[in-house]
Amino acid sequence: KAGVTQTPRYLIKTRGQQVTLSCSPISGHRSVSWYQQTPGQGLQFLFEYFSETQRNKGNFPGRFSGRQFSNSRSEMNVSTLELGDSALYLCASSLAEGGDEQYFGPGTRLTVT
Amino acid sequence: GESVGLHLPTLSVQEGDNSIINCAYSNSASDYFIWYKQESGKGPQFIIDIRSNMDKRQGQRVTVLLNKTVKHLSLQIAATQPGDSAVYFCAERYEYGNKLVFGAGTILRVKS
Repeated sequence: KAGVTQTPRYLIKTRGQQVTLSCSPISGHRSVSWYQQTPGQGLQFLFEYFSETQRNKGNFPGRFSGRQFSNSRSEMNVSTLELGDSALYLCASSLAEGGDEQYFGPGTRLTVT
Repeated sequence: GESVGLHLPTLSVQEGDNSIINCAYSNSASDYFIWYKQESGKGPQFIIDIRSNMDKRQGQRVTVLLNKTVKHLSLQIAATQPGDSAVYFCAERYEYGNKLVFGAGTILRVKS
């Protein structure tokens, strides 16, 4: 069974631009969560989607948004990029909302210049 | 923030020895805990989990211990191998849903 896939793997953007990252969960998994990982703040929860609905949200500004499609694939969008948005963005999938065993993808490395 | 990753503690062990990685979690209401291993350039890899109604769980070469009294979690790795070198994170879940709060991480270095 294929794992969680994320595209693109690497991205370089300029301040002020926007970016969309994509995540395909493990087949059969319906919950997708997004995390931001930086050296200074570690791993921080962004949001969780289940059945195309946002179920939970972390403490990030409204520039960070996401959505989930009927096939459970998810995208996250960051608008008006800032230098501090440079990070590894990780997607995790699990079978169900509140389910155990979240499995992470390899991440998208975003660099904002 | 909920997770602060500044200077990570480092544990250096000799190949073949046992490793113990410790983690203090923050919320006494957390009901589920996971240990992840992250190698350079990769996403976190699930190692083992434990629910709050247990105090010990064993996997292949790994054991997780949970002490709710002092809000402490530990990961024991038996017969540590060079391939175990990575950053190890504990994570707790304290709300319904899949929001995980991660610890800062511990670097494990295995000396051959």
